[in-house]
Amino acid sequence: NAGVTQTPKFRVLKTGQSMTLLCAQDMNHEYMYWYRQDPGMGLRLIHYSVGEGTTAKGEVPDGYNVSRLKKQNFLLGLESAAPSQTSVYFCASSRQGLEETQYFGPGTRLLVL
Amino acid sequence: ELKVEQNPLFLSMQEGKNYTIYCNYSTTSDRLYWYRQDPGKSLESLFVLLSNGAVKQEGRLMASLDTKARLSTLHITAAVHDLSATYFCAVVSNAGKSTFGDGTTLTVKP
Repeated sequence: NAGVTQTPKFRVLKTGQSMTLLCAQDMNHEYMYWYRQDPGMGLRLIHYSVGEGTTAKGEVPDGYNVSRLKKQNFLLGLESAAPSQTSVYFCASSRQGLEETQYFGPGTRLLVL
Repeated sequence: ELKVEQNPLFLSMQEGKNYTIYCNYSTTSDRLYWYRQDPGKSLESLFVLLSNGAVKQEGRLMASLDTKARLSTLHITAAVHDLSATYFCAVVSNAGKSTFGDGTTLTVKP
C-alpha cells in the first residue's frame, strides 16, 4: 500500500514549456486534490475532484488543467509554464465524505526558468 | 470567499512550556483539520474536528473547535523539541473545497 505517490519529484522547465504532473493513490479514495505551496505560505487549492470523471476549480486554477479519467489517478497539466508557477505541488486524496482527512503525497518541486 | 487566519505565524518556546495556536475562519463550516509539516516534507494529518465543541487529544497536542466563534485552537502542553514543525489548519466547505491557513512555525528550544 503506497498511499499517495507523485511523479516526478523534481522538474526544471523553461518558460513556455508544458508538462504533466501525475498523482496516483491506491486507497480507493473518491476525492483528490492538487495544491501548490509557495515559500512561507500555506497550501492553495488549484483544482480538485470529487469522483472519477469530475473536476472543479479551487482557489488558484488559472494556468492549470486537470483530468481524472481513472479513479486512482489525478493529472495536473501546465500548458505554458511561467516563472510564477515555480512552487512545490502537493497532491492529496480522501475518502468520500467531508469528515475524512486528506492524505498527502511527497510533493513535486517545479522550477520554471 | 472563505478566509483562514492563523496566529501566531512564528512561535519560539522553551521545552516544558505550554502555548496555544489559534485558527480563525470567516464563514460557517463544521469541518476543520490540523496538519503538521516538517521542513522539506509533506503534510501529516493530526486532527479532524467535525462539530461544535469537538475536542481531540494526541500526546502533548489538543485541538478544539468552536463553530459559533469560528475558532479552533491547538494547545501544546509541556513542549518538547520533537514538536518543532509547521502546523496548518484547514477548513473544508460543503462543496469539498479546502482552504488552508498560512501555517504556524513552531520552534521548541531546550
